[in-house]
Amino acid sequence: DQQVKQNSPSLSVQEGRISILNCDYTNSMFDYFLWYKKYPAEGPTFLISISSIKDKNEDGRFTVFLNKSAKHLSLHIVPSQPGDSAVYFCAASAKTGANNLFFGTGTRLTVIP
Amino acid sequence: EAGVAQSPRYKIIEKRQSVAFWCNPISGHATLYWYQQILGQGPKLLIQFQNNGVVDDSQLPKDRFSAERLKGVDSTLKIQPAKLEDSAVYLCASRARPRGTVNTEAFFGQGTRLTVV
Repeated sequence: DQQVKQNSPSLSVQEGRISILNCDYTNSMFDYFLWYKKYPAEGPTFLISISSIKDKNEDGRFTVFLNKSAKHLSLHIVPSQPGDSAVYFCAASAKTGANNLFFGTGTRLTVIP
Repeated sequence: EAGVAQSPRYKIIEKRQSVAFWCNPISGHATLYWYQQILGQGPKLLIQFQNNGVVDDSQLPKDRFSAERLKGVDSTLKIQPAKLEDSAVYLCASRARPRGTVNTEAFFGQGTRLTVV
């Protein structure tokens, strides 16, 4: 039962253009959403998060948008750089209960120079 | 601030052998997670500790996997006996308590890549 879904396993974007990574979730109790970036042979590193009381959070080139009614969030990277090439994981949690962190299956982003 | 430390980085064992992984979380983080990440998939939660108590181990194959977190700090995850399908990266993460209404991010170690042959 996959509560967090990333339906695009891969994405290729030209350097300088926008990268948009998408994520859907099924559990309406989720109230905190995160994006992690993972390079080969390293653990996931935290990138950006958003609370369910917001619909947008921005940090430099990275912006996360949350659409609660659609149970959908997206990560925008503008402009994309070759160093952004990695696997991106969407994650979600709910402060009620155990506050587990559930992950999607990841999207491999390739930024072409 | 030191990050989450895990050891070993790599381990190769034969099926039916046993193996143990160690994790030292970020100082002061009450929550500790062990995840299993199979190639091409997202991290799957195995067990969650809050201090030294288990909060959720519903996904832990308890016939072969065990974990403990002594004194609410370091943690070990053990597999005995290992199966071929246990080949994966085992990730440890720690997380501070939510600050009022604001939840917190989890920080991950580099992981242990286990190969069972």
